[in-house]
Amino acid sequence: AQKVTQAQTEISVVEKEDVTLDCVYETRDTTYYLFWYKQPPSGELVFLIRRNSFDEQNEISGRYSWNFQKSTSSFNFTITASQVVDSAVYFCALSERIPKEYGNKLVFGAGTILRVKS
Amino acid sequence: NAGVTQTPKFQVLKTGQSMTLQCAQDMNHEYMSWYRQDPGMGLRLIHYSVGAGITDQGEVPNGYNVSRSTTEDFPLRLLSAAPSQTSVYFCASSYSGRDTQYFGPGTRLTVL
Repeated sequence: AQKVTQAQTEISVVEKEDVTLDCVYETRDTTYYLFWYKQPPSGELVFLIRRNSFDEQNEISGRYSWNFQKSTSSFNFTITASQVVDSAVYFCALSERIPKEYGNKLVFGAGTILRVKS
Repeated sequence: NAGVTQTPKFQVLKTGQSMTLQCAQDMNHEYMSWYRQDPGMGLRLIHYSVGAGITDQGEVPNGYNVSRSTTEDFPLRLLSAAPSQTSVYFCASSYSGRDTQYFGPGTRLTVL
């Protein structure tokens, strides 16, 4: 079975610190997709990034960056110079094939609560 | 585009009552799904649909029914509410099974 582990339940940092959120996954699929979603205190789920298993290039988007390493089955997320508005729950997710139909489901990690203090 | 919409935003039920959570999307997405979010457990898949007329069970389907008569709508029915169904419910949609899923705002359900 596929599995996503976010070992950090909660992280607290002071504004302007860099912070890395860890994500480790397990899958037998050779083709899979990894995602990060942000859930701010308002409750909605905001898509941040999608990465397929064949693309191991790191991604940078403003203050956000992602490090995908197949060798260690990890897809870590770093926020540089954190801000109070980054306070949220962050979920890592893995797409799992559904053989019967051409569908997939997302297997989510338990989430990491990030608190950024001013 | 409104994206993915869900109604109601909040609901309180008594044990044994039934109700339908509504989900609609205006992006012409084929794939739609329902998840529930419980503290410390991430989100878990309840039911999904790969197109109108086609639905299947996810990880935690017991106590829930779905149908998909149109591309736009994917309602979730609670047959006989139980306190264990107290949760936040999210609907999501995507073009296909492998594409990014976009989520609705959620419905917070409390069963007393």
